[in-house]
Amino acid sequence: DVKVTQSSRYLVKRTGEKVFLECVQDMDHENMFWYRQDPGLGLRLIYFSYDVKMKEKGDIPEGYSVSREKKERFSLILESASTNQTSMYLCASTGGAWEQYFGPGTRLTVT
Amino acid sequence: DAKTTQPTSMDCAEGRAANLPCNHSTISGNEYVYWYRQIHSQGPQYIIHGLKNNETNEMASLIITEDRKSSTLILPHATLRDTAVYYCIVRAFGGSGTYKYIFGTGTRLKVLA
Repeated sequence: DVKVTQSSRYLVKRTGEKVFLECVQDMDHENMFWYRQDPGLGLRLIYFSYDVKMKEKGDIPEGYSVSREKKERFSLILESASTNQTSMYLCASTGGAWEQYFGPGTRLTVT
Repeated sequence: DAKTTQPTSMDCAEGRAANLPCNHSTISGNEYVYWYRQIHSQGPQYIIHGLKNNETNEMASLIITEDRKSSTLILPHATLRDTAVYYCIVRAFGGSGTYKYIFGTGTRLKVLA
């Protein structure tokens, strides 16, 4: 089975901190995605990557950056966390087949 | 990019068919329709996808209208475990030949005992 894992299920950070969210997939997928999910807004795409060191902005990239140094790992970085970045963050991957495989999510709270 | 519109919520009696509609009136000819669902506290799970023809798998059926402007996901015999948020998505092209998924807000399906 494809497995997408995320470094933490729950995370609490302070305003202004630099935050790293890690995502690892074990199926050699080329494409990886970061979404955030907020009540009433559904899933919104932050960034995606179609190859190592390649990245593309999604719909809401402001305040975020990403890193993909290895094919299996895709990191989301909040350079200076703010309270409006409190959210559920979901990572997904796909190898060009039809389905995206999602991780369990990281619930981030910024205080 | 094509966007989708779904009802906010629906109820369905256990054992009956659940029919979840989706409008995607701006879909392009080469964009696929996907359905995912998200059970509370889990990541979304793939259900089915299609381009033009109706599709069926062990989980559900997907009916796409001839003009491709709308589709319906059918769960033939809904169970309590089908209670979830269902997302209808079109796969849009990103840059450099890649693609991205555009999720809407989904339909919250509640299956009633």
